[in-house]
Amino acid sequence: DQQVKQNSPSLSVQEGRISILNCDYTNSMFDYFLWYKKYPAEGPTFLISISSIKDKNEDGRFTVFLNKSAKHLSLHIVPSQPGDSAVYFCAASGIGSARQLTFGSGTQLTVLP
Amino acid sequence: DAGVIQSPRHEVTEMGQEVTLRCKPISGHNSLFWYRQTMMRGLELLIYFNNNVPIDDSGMPEDRFSAKMPNASFSTLKIQPSEPRDSAVYFCASSSRGGLPRETQYFGPGTRLLVL
Repeated sequence: DQQVKQNSPSLSVQEGRISILNCDYTNSMFDYFLWYKKYPAEGPTFLISISSIKDKNEDGRFTVFLNKSAKHLSLHIVPSQPGDSAVYFCAASGIGSARQLTFGSGTQLTVLP
Repeated sequence: DAGVIQSPRHEVTEMGQEVTLRCKPISGHNSLFWYRQTMMRGLELLIYFNNNVPIDDSGMPEDRFSAKMPNASFSTLKIQPSEPRDSAVYFCASSSRGGLPRETQYFGPGTRLLVL
């Protein structure tokens, strides 16, 4: 049973437009959420995170939104650039048995020039 | 800074053979994680160590998998005997403080394993 779900395996966006990647979770114990980015033949790298006490965190072109009531978070990239083409993993952690990172299955973002 | 180093980068083996994956964490990091990535299940945590001690191995799929960390700069993940369903990319990651998820984990480039 996947506790962190990324239902879109792939997304294509035109350069300069907004990319929106979505993530849903089921475990109410999760209180910290992260996005990792992965290029081919490399390991994932940390991108941005958000604590459950916030509903938005922004870092340059990247913004993560958290909707706790819906158990949903999203990553917005504005404007999208071809170098953003990668696999994006959503991850979550919390307390107790949810302490360690639980990752989603990833979304392949392709930004078209 | 060399980052997390994993070897080999690619491994092709036959069913039933023993496979050993190696990891060197970032110097000074005291937590080490082994993950497996598959198309169906994404990134799954297999085991993690804090100060060379295994803390949580509940993600290890079965007794065929074992992991060791004999010192702060080296860890191995062993599969014996290997099976085709073990084919995946295996990542090692390290972090600097107690393995808390709030501490950024730094991933190695992964080992792509194919079991025929």
